[in-house]
Amino acid sequence: DQQVKQNSPSLSVQEGRISILNCDYTNSMFDYFLWYKKYPAEGPTFLISISSIKDKNEDGRFTVFLNKSAKHLSLHIVPSQPGDSAVYFCAAPTKTSGSRLTFGEGTQLTVNP
Amino acid sequence: EPEVTQTPSHQVTQMGQEVILRCVPISNHLYFYWYRQILGQKVEFLVSFYNNEISEKSEIFDDQFSVERPDGSNFTLKIRSTKLEDSAMYFCASSEEGIGVGELFFGEGSRLTVL
Repeated sequence: DQQVKQNSPSLSVQEGRISILNCDYTNSMFDYFLWYKKYPAEGPTFLISISSIKDKNEDGRFTVFLNKSAKHLSLHIVPSQPGDSAVYFCAAPTKTSGSRLTFGEGTQLTVNP
Repeated sequence: EPEVTQTPSHQVTQMGQEVILRCVPISNHLYFYWYRQILGQKVEFLVSFYNNEISEKSEIFDDQFSVERPDGSNFTLKIRSTKLEDSAMYFCASSEEGIGVGELFFGEGSRLTVL
């Protein structure tokens, strides 16, 4: 199932700089996207979401951008902090049922002090 | 802050044994889910549960799996006869509304190791 794909398994940035995490999707029926953050030995934690009627959603240091024509979304974290070091997953619910989330592979973000 | 709790945090079992993983969802939530993550792989949907019945299940959720809400607070996942490939981290989640409207809240996971 490659409907949601995160091509970068890891990303390393300096504290204070911008982190950009990318996600591509193939299913044009997806109309809602979520980003989750996961620390080791914990479950995923919801971070931010975006509906397909928008192209941007901002919450504090976190902004998600959606490019529907390119079937691409990105999560920007600025400024990045060491506590942001975690695995970030993008996910989308299936249109037909709405009860199933399809996750990407995840990107390990490391923010260096 | 309300949270989803899962027990046990880690269970080791022999192949062929039955396992029950337990979850206490957030109290006012109506939708319940099980997901799993095999080491090095994606988080995968197993099953969703609403109004005391399964609303959707994936191809993974075969006859060896079952879910139950035995009382007003617990939500369990039973694996009848475990296989080696069932070794994974199992996450319970709950939501107030269906996905697409509200977010899922995940528990910390139960690590299942099948020997």
